[in-house]
Amino acid sequence: GAVVSQHPSRVICKSGTSVKIECRSLDFQATTMFWYRQFPKQSLMLMATSNEGSKATYEQGVEKDKFLINHASLTLSTLTVTSAHPEDSSFYICSAGQGAQATEAFFGQGTRLTVV
Amino acid sequence: AQSVTQLDSQVPVFEEAPVELRCNYSSSVSVYLFWYVQYPNQGLQLLLKYLSGSTLVKGINGFEAEFNKSQTSFHLRKPSVHISDTAEYFCAVRQGNTPLVFGKGTRLSVIA
Repeated sequence: GAVVSQHPSRVICKSGTSVKIECRSLDFQATTMFWYRQFPKQSLMLMATSNEGSKATYEQGVEKDKFLINHASLTLSTLTVTSAHPEDSSFYICSAGQGAQATEAFFGQGTRLTVV
Repeated sequence: AQSVTQLDSQVPVFEEAPVELRCNYSSSVSVYLFWYVQYPNQGLQLLLKYLSGSTLVKGINGFEAEFNKSQTSFHLRKPSVHISDTAEYFCAVRQGNTPLVFGKGTRLSVIA
């Protein structure tokens, strides 16, 4: 199946700093990528939908100035957590659809962010 | 709006016993249905999916699921579980090219 690579898998940062998470589709072109956040022992909550070459669409309650999403190419989307605080500590997962009418989403390995 | 209900947050089961993880969805239109597995600190791996056709879907690792339109259910089953099946299982629904909507997950614990 298609492969989505997410990097880094773990990151620890100081409060007030910014962290960038990368999501790459390795063997297909992903016109749409999705970013999810997962709290401990809970489900995945969609944060935003990222379309190549255009602005991301954020879900209600997600601060777009805090969670910056860039989808500059068909194989790369990035999520930057700006001025991170301890409450931003979470597991972040990206997924990508293979083509505009994809029926299946492929997931990255996830990034465990800890803000101290 | 679509929603997914996983009725059991935790399911303990003995090794080699059968298991069923329940999933119900709500949608007034045709949807695609998925089951994913998540191991600790990892992303999601697709177990199986229903797009159309046969209502009985077979997936990886010996899992299968049956789509029941009248009951709006998509329960996941395995006839004999292994210790390695211990993980979190998520049911998800999608309409067209919209993002996946996930259930809250079911933690399957296989006991030796």
